Amino acid sequence: GENVEQHPSTLSVQEGDSAVIKCTYSDSASNYFPWYKQELGKGPQLIIDIRSNVGEKKDQRIAVTLNKTAKHFSLHITETQPEDSAVYFCAAYTGGFKTIFGAGTRLFVKA
Amino acid sequence: DVKVTQSSRYLVKRTGEKVFLECVQDMDHENMFWYRQDPGLGLRLIYFSYDVKMKEKGDIPEGYSVSREKKERFSLILESASTNQTSMYLCASGQLTNEKLFFGSGTQLSVL
Repeated sequence: GENVEQHPSTLSVQEGDSAVIKCTYSDSASNYFPWYKQELGKGPQLIIDIRSNVGEKKDQRIAVTLNKTAKHFSLHITETQPEDSAVYFCAAYTGGFKTIFGAGTRLFVKA
Repeated sequence: DVKVTQSSRYLVKRTGEKVFLECVQDMDHENMFWYRQDPGLGLRLIYFSYDVKMKEKGDIPEGYSVSREKKERFSLILESASTNQTSMYLCASGQLTNEKLFFGSGTQLSVL
């Protein structure tokens, strides 16, 4: 069935460094790729997204890239700050009611 | 500010009990969802609803049922709770396209 693989499961970086989370999806019909951030005690919140007709999108310190041919997409966080510490989920949406989520990456930013 | 509210943050129940998890959204969204979050497994869809009284099974519906009597309210029901249903439960709502989901803060359920 459809699935989204996400790596790494845990990522620890020093404050100010960059962090990269990578995902691979299986359904070539997927056309929308959101990223969610889940802080401690809260539900996931959409932080950035990208559509299949776009290769890259940036919003301040975060950016997403998409390689449709390879079915890869990635989240890049530059100049990490302690408040970036959270669990990040990638997801792939094909249409209808189904969003397939990755397993999540727990990001630790050390001050 | 848009809001999805789950009635309980933590819940402890005994095996065999009937459990109700409540969710309310104030965004007038058509669609509502119940997900289960387990470490290493991400978010898995239990049930969703696209209209009042309409519901569809997700990927892991066994042992669960749902109720949507009003547009803003979506309930998840565990008919007879079991220990393997100990998990974080997340409610979400979405507009017509369902691309962007809005999540509640979650209910951490422990079944003893």
